[in-house]
Amino acid sequence: GAGVSQSPRYKVAKRGQDVALRCDPISGHVSLFWYQQALGQGPEFLTYFQNEAQLDKSGLPSDRFFAERPEGSVSTLKIQRTQQEDSAVYLCASSYLPSASITPWEQYFGPGTRLTVT
Amino acid sequence: ILNVEQSPQSLHVQEGDSTNFTCSFPSSNFYALHWYRWETAKSPEALFVMTLNGDEKKKGRISATLNTKEGYSYLYIKGSQPEDSATYLCALTQGGSEKLVFGKGTKLTVNP
Repeated sequence: GAGVSQSPRYKVAKRGQDVALRCDPISGHVSLFWYQQALGQGPEFLTYFQNEAQLDKSGLPSDRFFAERPEGSVSTLKIQRTQQEDSAVYLCASSYLPSASITPWEQYFGPGTRLTVT
Repeated sequence: ILNVEQSPQSLHVQEGDSTNFTCSFPSSNFYALHWYRWETAKSPEALFVMTLNGDEKKKGRISATLNTKEGYSYLYIKGSQPEDSATYLCALTQGGSEKLVFGKGTKLTVNP
C-alpha cells in the first residue's frame, strides 16, 4: 500500500519567504507527527496531531512555525518569514494507534522535505 | 533535557564484516526503544520496537538487544553487505508521551 508522502521533496526559499510543506499520511492513521532534522543532528520533534486535534506543539521553535490538519488526514507545516536556521529536513510520520500509551507503535515516515533558506 | 546517545558517529566496514552500534538513553520513565534505518533519499524504515528489559529481536542479518536497567541497546549486523549502508537511528519513547526522541545516528558504509 501507499506509504507516507511529502511534498515538495526539495524547497529553496529566500530568507523572509513563507513556505508550506505538505504531508499525506497513510490512510486510516490517527496520529501524525512532524520532526525537523538539522545537519549533523538527529530528527527533533516539532508537533503531534491525533486526528485533527493538535495535542502537542511543544517542539515548534518559534511562532513562525504553524501546523494544521483540518480534516484529520493531510497536514501542512507552514513556516513564515523563513530564516537560515530553518534550513533542515522536515520529516512527517504517521501511526495507526491514537496513543502510544496503549502499546508502542511504529511511526511510518515519509521521505522528508529538504528546505534550504538562502 | 532527554539525551539519547549513539556511537560511533560513523563506521566504515568491508563487505562480509560483522558490526555493532550502541544506543544509550536515560532509564527513568522508559517506555520503548525504536531502531530505524535511513537510506539516503528514502524514508526512514522501522527495524525494531522493543519494550522489555532483555528483549532481543532479529530481522534477517540484523538483530538488537535491550537493557532498560542500564539504559542501552545494541544493534548488530552480521555479514554486512553494501546495501546495508545507511544511517541507523535509535529513538526513545517515554511513558505518557507519543513523541520519539532520536539520537544523532550512526552512519554505516559497507565497502564492496
